[in-house]
Amino acid sequence: DTAVSQTPKYLVTQMGNDKSIKCEQNLGHDTMYWYKQDSKKFLKIMFSYNNKELIINETVPNRFSPKSPDKAHLNLHINSLELGDSAVYFCASSQGVQPLGYTFGSGTRLTVV
Amino acid sequence: QKEVEQNSGPLSVPEGAIASLNCTYSDRGSQSFFWYRQYSGKSPELIMSIYSNGDKEDGRFTAQLNKASQYVSLLIRDSQPSDSATYLCAVKTGGGNKLTFGTGTQLKVEL
Repeated sequence: DTAVSQTPKYLVTQMGNDKSIKCEQNLGHDTMYWYKQDSKKFLKIMFSYNNKELIINETVPNRFSPKSPDKAHLNLHINSLELGDSAVYFCASSQGVQPLGYTFGSGTRLTVV
Repeated sequence: QKEVEQNSGPLSVPEGAIASLNCTYSDRGSQSFFWYRQYSGKSPELIMSIYSNGDKEDGRFTAQLNKASQYVSLLIRDSQPSDSATYLCAVKTGGGNKLTFGTGTQLKVEL
């Protein structure tokens, strides 16, 4: 009964490949997020969806495309992977526009070689 | 200037001591503040939230907020080795539901 689950946990791939990360939450939250954590532990928001609608789209390369089929799922597709994309990607969810804090998934460690 | 700033540490304290972690933020209109704990290789875990000036206590943890000075702090009393982790300060900034994180302070509690 994991609250926010991400798959895969680890992803090693070559430059130029296309890959997807999936996220699902069973908390009944209406808002989901993608954050990127770099090697210095800095967590930076990428995207946010509220009830399947994109509400936050930070300055992220067009190679990154989120998709939310329903409010419990948020996926991240990355085209033409680059070395600099190597990081840990966290999915998170929250309820409402007043954040009571996020619940994070366990993260996906992406390594581009 | 970074939106949310923390000393990266490491901050070393002996077991049983009080650990004091500080965070400053630039958006004077910010209303919601959070402390997350992140163990190495794990995801961030919410430990405290604070919305009003003053202190908020939860067990061994006390969050302090001073909006006039734009800082928020976290005190950990009776520090334990299990408290050794990176502590992330997060501030709700701008519109939507966006949390902006600091770079985190690494805490080491030594026996």
